[in-house]
Formats: sequence, structure tokens, C-alpha cells
Amino acid sequence: GAGVSQSPSNKVTEKGKDVELRCDPISGHTALYWYRQSLGQGLEFLIYFQGNSAPDKSGLPSDRFSAERTGGSVSTLTIQRTQQEDSAVYLCASSLVGRGLGNTIYFGEGSWLTVV
Amino acid sequence: KQEVTQIPAALSVPEGENLVLNCSFTDSAIYNLQWFRQDPGKGLTSLLLIQSSQREQTSGRLNASLDKSSGRSTLYIAASQPGDSATYLCAPRRDSGGYQKVTFGTGTKLQVIP
Repeated sequence: GAGVSQSPSNKVTEKGKDVELRCDPISGHTALYWYRQSLGQGLEFLIYFQGNSAPDKSGLPSDRFSAERTGGSVSTLTIQRTQQEDSAVYLCASSLVGRGLGNTIYFGEGSWLTVV
Repeated sequence: KQEVTQIPAALSVPEGENLVLNCSFTDSAIYNLQWFRQDPGKGLTSLLLIQSSQREQTSGRLNASLDKSSGRSTLYIAASQPGDSATYLCAPRRDSGGYQKVTFGTGTKLQVIP
């Protein structure tokens, strides 16, 4: 696609429910990132996928968080048993891999999650 | 672990002023650095990407410089406009075990007053 697409754009869920957030990266981009940004805070790294390599999960805050990337394209971030502190905007980004000038990182508009 | 600091945290200037935003990072083994802007309630928009082998990169009224050895980058905005009001983030990128590691600063919130 033309840009990174995320859905849903907004999600309100009850505490304890599971949510799935979807990211559709730019076609051909092998690197995909998930970040979280709480209100008024900076970006918190969650997980990084690069091609067929094992993902870097070092940023996932708890075992309630998981992510997968199917077929090297679309990624889904799943939050189980949501808590109020999970309320944030979840940002997805993608890029080419390598050191050339073409590996600019592009972000989606984010999925705003509110846990009530 | 890479630490990224942006100074000032907030800046308010009258329209038309030239201004400089600063970014410093602790691990100089980076291969590029990207500047972004973030508007309230929006995602991040890429402004400039500067490679480690470059000293400067320009796009319109924006000029980014990189001094990799000292761990510093600056974003210069010429003739600021109210539409430049946003939060500006820098993000150095490095390799770590074959993975790309991107670390974001906490940003500089810019307000340009008409």
C-alpha cells in the first residue's frame, strides 16, 4: 500500500478483555516495529520483526503482550486481559533493511486504545 | 543501551525566527539518524534521514546535521511558521546482533506564535 495502515484507529475495551491491533506495512518492507506511547510520554519500543528472523521481543512489558507477523507482511499485536495501564496509542512502523538511503522508517497513524 | 536526550524539552518562538533543536545520544556506533515530527493525536512523520557518513541533510527550510563522533545532531528550522508547531523527535539507528535498533528521544515540543 501507499503507507503504513493500522486498524482499528480507536478501540475502547473493558478491563480484562483481549484486544487485537493490526498493522499493514508498506509493501516490500521487511522490517516492522511496534511502539507504545502513553499520554504525554515518549515512544516505548515493544517488538521488532526483520524478515524471517526471530523477532526482537525485548520491549514487551509482560506476557500479556504478544505479536506475530504472518507471511512477512501483516502484523497483529495482541494484548490479553487488558489493564487500565495499557491505555495508550500503539504505533506501527516499517522500513527496508540495510544501510542505504532508502531505509527511512514510516509510521502509521496509530491505534488508540482505551481500557475502561 | 542507547540513551537519547533532546534539548530543550519545549520551545516557544515568534513566527519568522530561525531555531535549532538539539539531540544527543550516548552510543555513537549508529549508521543513520532520522528526524520526525508528531502532531497532536497523530503518528510520526519523517522529516529527514541522515546517514552516518553524511554531515548534513537538507529539505526545504529544514537542515539536519550529524556529528557522530560526539553523539550529536541538530535540526535547524529556518523562518519558522505556525504550521511548524509540533513535537520533534530524533531517532538514531544502529545494528545490534543483526537487528536494527532504533531509539527515540523524548522530543522537543515547538510552538510558533503568529
